Amino acid sequence: ETGVTQTPRHLVMGMTNKKSLKCEQHLGHNAMYWYKQSAKKPLELMFVYSLEERVENNSVPSRFSPECPNSSHLFLHLHTLQPEDSALYLCASSQENLGARDYGYTFGSGTRLTVV
Amino acid sequence: QQPVQSPQAVILREGEDAVINCSSSKALYSVHWYRQKHGEAPVFLMILLKGGEQKGHEKISASFNEKKQQSSLYLTASQLSYSGTYFCGTEWSYGQNFVFGPGTRLSVLP
Repeated sequence: ETGVTQTPRHLVMGMTNKKSLKCEQHLGHNAMYWYKQSAKKPLELMFVYSLEERVENNSVPSRFSPECPNSSHLFLHLHTLQPEDSALYLCASSQENLGARDYGYTFGSGTRLTVV
Repeated sequence: QQPVQSPQAVILREGEDAVINCSSSKALYSVHWYRQKHGEAPVFLMILLKGGEQKGHEKISASFNEKKQQSSLYLTASQLSYSGTYFCGTEWSYGQNFVFGPGTRLSVLP
């Protein structure tokens, strides 16, 4: 496996369900991100983990809970979601080098989430 | 604050050229460009750092005008494979306030 892998690709869940999205990066990067992409909206940053420590949380509702057990894995735990949470959830990774920006983000293919 | 992209959408014939602009209300440290095809992940194209450099990537190149707080993406002799939505992403200083623009939808027709 290479790059950034996300599972599942598609997920349909009821508003009372609990599910988790998984992301794995095989690039040796030290930062990982969760983005939300809704129809006709720009990519919205949800969470940032750098060196396995959460460094940003963009006012995301508590029904979304991230977890980063190590630098290669990132999870997004979901519970009691609302229909408006239906979107494409993208994971990304990057290499952060103490103030030097050489490359951008590598994205996974995303999980298409539908809340019913 | 989100950068502004223009145009919102553009339709080209194969072989034609296009320019996509990305502008910010604040001084920028870097500008990223990504392309996302329908149903796929955004793919990193290039990054430009403050200093006004220009970069090229086959027939796709970009410039960064630090004074105007603006970057332009140039697609020359477009191919069908160039179709997709192009996003710029900007940050004001390293690791700070990275935000994606709303995207420009590019359609290349045969």
